[in-house]
Amino acid sequence: EPEVTQTPSHQVTQMGQEVILRCVPISNHLYFYWYRQILGQKVEFLVSFYNNEISEKSEIFDDQFSVERPDGSNFTLKIRSTKLEDSAMYFCASSEELLQETQYFGPGTRLLVL
Amino acid sequence: QKEVEQNSGPLSVPEGAIASLNCTYSDRVSQSFFWYRQYSGKSPELIMSIYSNGDKEDGRFTAQLNKASQYVSLLIRDSQPSDSATYLCAVRISGGYNKLIFGAGTRLAVHP
Repeated sequence: EPEVTQTPSHQVTQMGQEVILRCVPISNHLYFYWYRQILGQKVEFLVSFYNNEISEKSEIFDDQFSVERPDGSNFTLKIRSTKLEDSAMYFCASSEELLQETQYFGPGTRLLVL
Repeated sequence: QKEVEQNSGPLSVPEGAIASLNCTYSDRVSQSFFWYRQYSGKSPELIMSIYSNGDKEDGRFTAQLNKASQYVSLLIRDSQPSDSATYLCAVRISGGYNKLIFGAGTRLAVHP
């Protein structure tokens, strides 16, 4: 069964460093998303991406964040200068269609900013 | 602010019983509703989706949607210890391109 994959599973970084989180969505999916979950809190939407551009982003997704689909399979989230409060689990998701779609989540990357 | 509310639990049920999980949402014109299961430290795993008023059954799971009351529920029949997890209600809101708004989740504990 096809699944969303994410690398790395864990990332530890120093405050102010750049990190890139990688995702490989399900191959025939067209819509891609990043969510995050701070420990003990809700899953929060960050950004959606379609046709090589951002279709929607949340207030959390400020200028420190960017997304890219550098090739036909990868989808990346970059945090330019990490802050302590960026420590969270980051989930990539993908869906095949827009309406009445199901978003399938990857296993997540646990980011710890020291 | 469009919200999704769930009772945080824990909801404790004996093995074999029916577990009933509830969710309310504030955006009256929301169209798509999802239940995800999340084990500790893991990612959300889709259990069911529901789009129309009424019941939708899949194995031991039944989702119920009442748009007039802005209420969606999940019933788990014959609960098993392996069902012990946090159950997340997610709503695709109107006016959002495709984002899901999640509730905080209800922790379910099924004891033998």
